[in-house]
Amino acid sequence: KAGVTQTPRYLIKTRGQQVTLSCSPISGHRSVSWYQQTPGQGLQFLFEYFSETQRNKGNFPGRFSGRQFSNSRSEMNVSTLELGDSALYLCASSTDRPWEQYFGPGTRLTVT
Amino acid sequence: EDKVVQSPLSLVVHEGDTVTLNCSYEVTNFRSLLWYKQEKKAPTFLFMLTSSGIEKKSGRLSSILDKKELFSILNITATQTGDSAVYLCAAQNTGNQFYFGTGTSLTVIP
Repeated sequence: KAGVTQTPRYLIKTRGQQVTLSCSPISGHRSVSWYQQTPGQGLQFLFEYFSETQRNKGNFPGRFSGRQFSNSRSEMNVSTLELGDSALYLCASSTDRPWEQYFGPGTRLTVT
Repeated sequence: EDKVVQSPLSLVVHEGDTVTLNCSYEVTNFRSLLWYKQEKKAPTFLFMLTSSGIEKKSGRLSSILDKKELFSILNITATQTGDSAVYLCAAQNTGNQFYFGTGTSLTVIP
């Protein structure tokens, strides 16, 4: 079974721009969660989608949004990028055992 | 505020040593405590603990949860260089939200 894939793997953007990251879950997994990982804050939960609906949301500003498609693929969008948005963005997929999340390799976003 | 704190932040040991990693949590509507190993990019799942006092084991790794004192430990015996990684713990609440600690970076020297 193929693992969780994320594209692109690396991205450099300028302050004020917007960015869209993509995540393809493991086949059969209907839940996709997004996390931001920075050295100082560690892994922070952004949101979770299940069957195209946002089921949970973390404590991030509205500039961070996401969606999930009928094939369970998910996208995350960040608008009006700030320097502090530079981070590794990880997505994780799971089935009906949400604690067994399988993480993708991440997208490294650098905002200059 | 819900939070998870891990200690130590980093650890350097020699092959064969035994290490203990700590994780304390304060999470409302706590459901479970999870441990992950992050070697390069993607964290991989190690353990999930929901009950106090019941040790989970997988080879040289073991973990236990104390729900009264709100902490968990991860033990690694007879460490090997392949154990070098960042170990993350996370607390899951009943709403399926996960709160991660900043991790313990373990380096095992040959």
